[in-house]
Formats: sequence, C-alpha cells, structure tokens
Amino acid sequence: GAGVSQSPSNKVTEKGKDVELRCDPISGHTALYWYRQSLGQGLEFLIYFQGNSAPDKSGLPSDRFSAERTGGSVSTLTIQRTQQEDSAVYLCASLGASGNEQFFGPGTRLTVL
Amino acid sequence: GQQVMQIPQYQHVQEGEDFTTYCNSSTTLSNIQWYKQRPGGHPVFLIQLVKSGEVKKQKRLTFQFGEAKKNSSLHITATQTTDVGTYFCAVRPGDRGSTLGRLYFGRGTQLTVWP
Repeated sequence: GAGVSQSPSNKVTEKGKDVELRCDPISGHTALYWYRQSLGQGLEFLIYFQGNSAPDKSGLPSDRFSAERTGGSVSTLTIQRTQQEDSAVYLCASLGASGNEQFFGPGTRLTVL
Repeated sequence: GQQVMQIPQYQHVQEGEDFTTYCNSSTTLSNIQWYKQRPGGHPVFLIQLVKSGEVKKQKRLTFQFGEAKKNSSLHITATQTTDVGTYFCAVRPGDRGSTLGRLYFGRGTQLTVWP
C-alpha cells in the first residue's frame, strides 16, 4: 500500500476485555514499531521488530501486553484484560532499509470504559 | 537508560516571531531525527542529522546537530499558523551511525501560533 495502515481507527471496549490492534506496514519495510501516546503526551515506545531477529519488548508496560509480527509483515498488538489506564492512541510505524525515517500509521484510538 | 530532554514543553508565539526547540541527550548520539505532529494527526518525519556540527535547512526551518553529538535544535523563522503542532526529536544512542534499533523520543514541544 501507499502508507502504513492501522485498524480499527477507533476501539471502545469495557474494562477487562481483550483487544487486538492491527498494523499493516509499508511493503518491504523490515522494521516495525509500536508506540502509545496518551492525550497531550509524547510517544511511549512499546515494542520493536526487526526482520527475523527477536523483538525488543523492553517498552511493554505489563504482561497484559503482547505483540507479534507474522511473515515479517502485518503486526498485531494484543492487550488482555484492558484497564482504563490503557486508553490512548496506539501508533505503529515502519522503517525502510535506509533507516532515515519512520512512517507512522494514523493510529488506533483505544477507549476503555 | 537513554535520557532525552526536550525544551520547552510549550511555546506560544505571535505569527511572524521565531521559534526554537532544543533536544539534549545524556549520551553521544548516532543520529537524531525530528518529527512534526499536527493536532489530531500522527508524527511526520522532517529530517535526520548524522554528522557532528551538521546544519540543514528546509525553507524556514533550520536544524542543527551539536559538535559533541549530544544535542540538537530546530529553529523556525517567522512562524506561520501552519507551523502549529508538536515537534518531537528522536534519538539513537551510539557512535557508529547505526540506522537500526530503537528510537528514543523526546516529550515534544507544543507550538501555538497566534494570528
């Protein structure tokens, strides 16, 4: 595709439910990042995938958060037993081989009631 | 861990005034990137600086990388209302010019421009 896409664009869920957020990176991009951005705040790093290497999970805030990247392309971020503090915009970005810039998707706005 | 300080957190200017945001690292950087996020939008890449003392310009925007590769600045000359948004720096620690690995983002400077 022309850019990074994410789905859904908005997700409202009840506390305690599980959610899955999807990211389709730019075709051919080998690196993929997930970030979380709370209202008016900066970007909080969550996880980074690079090719077939083990992902850098150092930013995941708890064991309720997990992510996978299948076939080196699409990635899914899963949040189990959601809490109200998980409400935020979840951004995905992919990075081309040149490493010069991250291309961000439009984000998924998650609201936990 | 990597510390990235970005100041100021907020800046309000009259249209036509200049604006500068600063990014400081506790360690030597491999490179630094700048992003702009418009209200309601997602971050968009502006530029990457790699060399010590590097200065790059994009129209009214001037980007500098410090000689010690530990700090950077973004300066906008004669701001316009279209400059409104949050400006983030993002850094990669190290001294080998790596283009891979995690980027550490500053907290951003939110710029408001009054017409």
